Amino acid sequence: DTAVSQTPKYLVTQMGNDKSIKCEQNLGHDTMYWYKQDSKKFLKIMFSYNNKELIINETVPNRFSPKSPDKAHLNLHINSLELGDSAVYFCASSQEGLTAGISPLHFGNGTRLTVT
Amino acid sequence: QKEVEQDPGPLSVPEGAIVSLNCTYSNSAFQYFMWYRQYSRKGPELLMYTYSSGNKEDGRFTAQVDKSSKYISLFIRDSQPSDSATYLCAMRDTGGFKTIFGAGTRLFVKA
Repeated sequence: DTAVSQTPKYLVTQMGNDKSIKCEQNLGHDTMYWYKQDSKKFLKIMFSYNNKELIINETVPNRFSPKSPDKAHLNLHINSLELGDSAVYFCASSQEGLTAGISPLHFGNGTRLTVT
Repeated sequence: QKEVEQDPGPLSVPEGAIVSLNCTYSNSAFQYFMWYRQYSRKGPELLMYTYSSGNKEDGRFTAQVDKSSKYISLFIRDSQPSDSATYLCAMRDTGGFKTIFGAGTRLFVKA
């Protein structure tokens, strides 16, 4: 059973196009995230939703717009794609609001975006 | 200066060696310290998780946290070729939802 699944796995597109990535988790978690991993493997948080509410919005161009229709889904739409957007985008989820400790992140296997 | 510094490597060791991976950090509010392992073309998966200072052992893996020095380590004993992966340290404070990652160290274990 896949816990966090992303589609598509690969996305090749031209500059200027608009594309979307979808993410679904079946772990029952209440918080979902988008991370971007560049070519040097550096993983940087972009957005986070907790119970469908946007709680983290890092310094990301407003061409990137996340949407969470429900707790189990988080999508990422990117307008006017640029060469620099080429990266691997990871969706992750966690359960917040625990009485003790924190819930580590569970990641999907990523969407490899190539902009030509 | 990044909040979390990690040498990207690559680090190449022979099978059976003891591997030491390290991170330093600047934010004294970090209380939770994690190590993730990422195989090629896969998402990171949690390896170890510790709270505050101290050691934690799980099989061949030992995580150490020294908050006074703002330094964390992961030791892998009797390394195996299957340990070849990128190891990312990650940290978080108690208040927010944000997990901050190091750059990841690429490890190769040669048979």
